[in-house]
Amino acid sequence: EPEVTQTPSHQVTQMGQEVILRCVPISNHLYFYWYRQILGQKVEFLVSFYNNEISEKSEIFDDQFSVERPDGSNFTLKIRSTKLEDSAMYFCASLGLRSPLHFGNGTRLTVT
Amino acid sequence: AQSVTQPDIHITVSEGASLELRCNYSYGATPYLFWYVQSPGQGLQLLLKYFSGDTLVQGIKGFEAEFKRSQSSFNLRKPSVHWSDAAEYFCAAARAAGNKLTFGGGTRVLVKP
Repeated sequence: EPEVTQTPSHQVTQMGQEVILRCVPISNHLYFYWYRQILGQKVEFLVSFYNNEISEKSEIFDDQFSVERPDGSNFTLKIRSTKLEDSAMYFCASLGLRSPLHFGNGTRLTVT
Repeated sequence: AQSVTQPDIHITVSEGASLELRCNYSYGATPYLFWYVQSPGQGLQLLLKYFSGDTLVQGIKGFEAEFKRSQSSFNLRKPSVHWSDAAEYFCAAARAAGNKLTFGGGTRVLVKP
């Protein structure tokens, strides 16, 4: 079964540094998402992406965050200047016309 | 505001016993409803979904869920749990296909031998 692939599985960075989290969605899917889960808390929506633009974003997704689909296969989340509170598990997901939402296994981001 | 509530944070169940996880939603209209399972260090795996039609939905791994409009609920059940069912379970809802998911807080299930 096709799956959503996320790299790296764990990223450690220092506060103030930029990080890019990478995702390869399922190839024929059209909708792409980022969610995050702070340790011990619920999964929260960050942003959705369709037709090469952001279709919806949450309050969490401020100017420090950006998404890109640079080459038609990768879907990236960039955090420009990380803060301690950005430490979380970040999940990428993709959705096709006739398939349910598929999540990747996540990238655990640790900001020190 | 749209919300999904899972009243039970932890549930402990004996292997072979039945399991029921509660989920309530608050949406303007009946949303699309989902149950996901997350094993430690893993991603979110879809167990089942409800869009419309038959209110009893069958999923993978022997799970089923029942949609009750009058109670705004979508409870997950399994008749006989296995040790491998120990995980965290999330109920989620969306206004429509392609819309963002709103997740409940999760219920952690522990299975006693």
